[in-house]
Amino acid sequence: AQSVTQPDIHITVSEGASLELRCNYSYGATPYLFWYVQSPGQGLQLLLKYFSGDTLVQGIKGFEAEFKRSQSSFNLRKPSVHWSDAAEYFCAVAVSKMRFGAGTRLTVKP
Amino acid sequence: DAGITQSPRHKVTETGTPVTLRCHQTENHRYMYWYRQDPGHGLRLIHYSYGVKDTDKGEVSDGYSVSRSKTEDFLLTLESATSSQTSVYFCAISESGGSRYEQYFGPGTRLTVT
Repeated sequence: AQSVTQPDIHITVSEGASLELRCNYSYGATPYLFWYVQSPGQGLQLLLKYFSGDTLVQGIKGFEAEFKRSQSSFNLRKPSVHWSDAAEYFCAVAVSKMRFGAGTRLTVKP
Repeated sequence: DAGITQSPRHKVTETGTPVTLRCHQTENHRYMYWYRQDPGHGLRLIHYSYGVKDTDKGEVSDGYSVSRSKTEDFLLTLESATSSQTSVYFCAISESGGSRYEQYFGPGTRLTVT
């Protein structure tokens, strides 16, 4: 069955530390891949996307993600987290329709 | 939120009453979507539209209907609201062609069914 998994429901990191949020998918074909961020009470904002080509993609706000076909993964990274990065992050995968992971809530400690 | 508005932003209604949520876009995008967001489920697609009067079901369409009579408006109707439809509802839009899956979201509507 097609699925998108974000294994971590909640992650806490210290400000200035590095961050990696995991996303795994199960699809027959290579899908289009996305990361969105949602601040409390807000809609979702597109951080970055992968359609094809270079497997390391850069996004807004200093985020990047790497597509690894062999691992069916699309993990989101940031080298140094800021307090304003505290939010919920959603991985999304599209073949014929978009499917979202359950989300990872990020808390940033001062 | 790129030219997408949702109304109302908050609504409390009683079980059994009809409810209509509106999504309005100023981007002239072909595709429009309705999602619901519930804790532990992320966003789930209810219905989507690929043009005026062209709609299709998503993964959680039971109890919902949609209509699109103009490019800019996409309506979601709960014919008889139930408590299980308490949720936050998001509208999204996307262009056609290669950008079809690049979706942009509205601010959401929080619906409470008592």
